[in-house]
Order: sequence, then C-alpha cells, then structure tokens
Amino acid sequence: DIVMTQSPDSLAVSLGERATINCKSSQSVLYSSNNKNYLAWYQQKPGQPPKLLIYWASTRESGVPDRFSGSGSGTDFTLTISSLQAEDVAVYYCQQYYSTPLFTFGPGTKVDIK
Amino acid sequence: EVQLVQSGAEVKKPGESLKISCKGSGYSFTSYWIGWVRQMPGKGLEWMGIIYPGDSDTRYSPSFQGQVTISADKSISTAYLQWSSLKASDTAMYYCVRHRAAAAVFDYWGQGTLVTVSS
Repeated sequence: DIVMTQSPDSLAVSLGERATINCKSSQSVLYSSNNKNYLAWYQQKPGQPPKLLIYWASTRESGVPDRFSGSGSGTDFTLTISSLQAEDVAVYYCQQYYSTPLFTFGPGTKVDIK
Repeated sequence: EVQLVQSGAEVKKPGESLKISCKGSGYSFTSYWIGWVRQMPGKGLEWMGIIYPGDSDTRYSPSFQGQVTISADKSISTAYLQWSSLKASDTAMYYCVRHRAAAAVFDYWGQGTLVTVSS
C-alpha cells in the first residue's frame, strides 16, 4: 500500500498570509508513461463533505480560487494557500490515486486563523 | 447538475444489519464508478471500495473486504453500502463519491450518512 503522510498536523495563519501544507507518499506517484503525478488535494470544512481542490498535483478543479495552488512531483507535494481567507478554515487532505483502485488519503492538516 | 443524495442517519444496535443508499442524478449513472468513504468521529478519510454500476464490477479496500458489501441498482441510479452484523466500531459518517473518468479522483460527494451503533 502507498502510505501518505502530511505535515504539519495543524497550523494557524493570519488572514492574508500564506499557508503551506506538505504531503509525502511512501513511493512515487509519478506515472512515467504520461509524466503525471497521481495526487489530489481535498478541502473539508466543518460539518461538510470534502471538496476536490486539485488533481494531477497541480491542476485546479473548476471554480477553485486561484489562491490555491499545488506543486511537487514523485513523492513530495505541497498545497499553498497564497493569501488565507476566513472561508479557508478547514482540514486539507492529500490523496494518491496512482494505485487505483487502492486509493489512500493522508491524515489531514487542520488550518485555522491566527 | 450532478448530485449524490444519500439516505438519512441511522441508529442501530450491535449485531443488526443495515443498508444505506446513494442516489445519483444529473449524469449517466452507469458510466462512472461510485465509491464509499468512511470518516470515523474526529478522524480522517478512509476509502472503502468502489462499484461500476454499468456492470457491477466491484473492488474493495483490503481493510474493508468481507466487512461490507457494495452494490448498485442501475435501474434506479442508486448505489448501496451494507453490513450484515454491525459493530460499535462501525460508528462513522459514510460518504458516497463519484469517480471522475479521466483522473480517478472523487469529484462529487454525497452529503454523508451518519451511522451510530450503540447498545
């Protein structure tokens, strides 16, 4: 199984400041035949189901604000919120879909306002 | 508009059986895999399994194989998750999800069904 880890477990950022979340996979999720990283990010606000933010490690889902960006390749990935807004308070999960259909999620990172 | 609408909250006793549902609309139900994700109280997301309603091809996470059964009735665009004998440790929120075809990500989520198992 591909194990996903995230850091930090939680972080508090001032409004308008940058938030950075890291995700690491236990093996590469880069598929050499198409040069795509099989890595997605989800946002879960309190009391709501998760929402897809980013896939292919860096492609924003339609309707997702451009303050959210994803980067990284192979085993190390980052989700960046460039200017934190109040509505971004949530738990963020990374997920690999390289070993489809054996999908695995990271443990989540909670983002709060400082 | 794509929607996944799940059945309501359930309170059950250990040993009882249960079947929860997820009705898809706004898209071709038989053309997309539907999955189930568990979220235990205060915890993260765990993928349980998926089904392709077009032919009922089903895959399970090793962690859930033998513990639950996933099925679908394409005539009514509905997927199901069922237990034959619930345990207290099955207490959780369960989400159904649609898998996007091109990238196997979960692009639409149901609202969730809270299952509480308590004596």
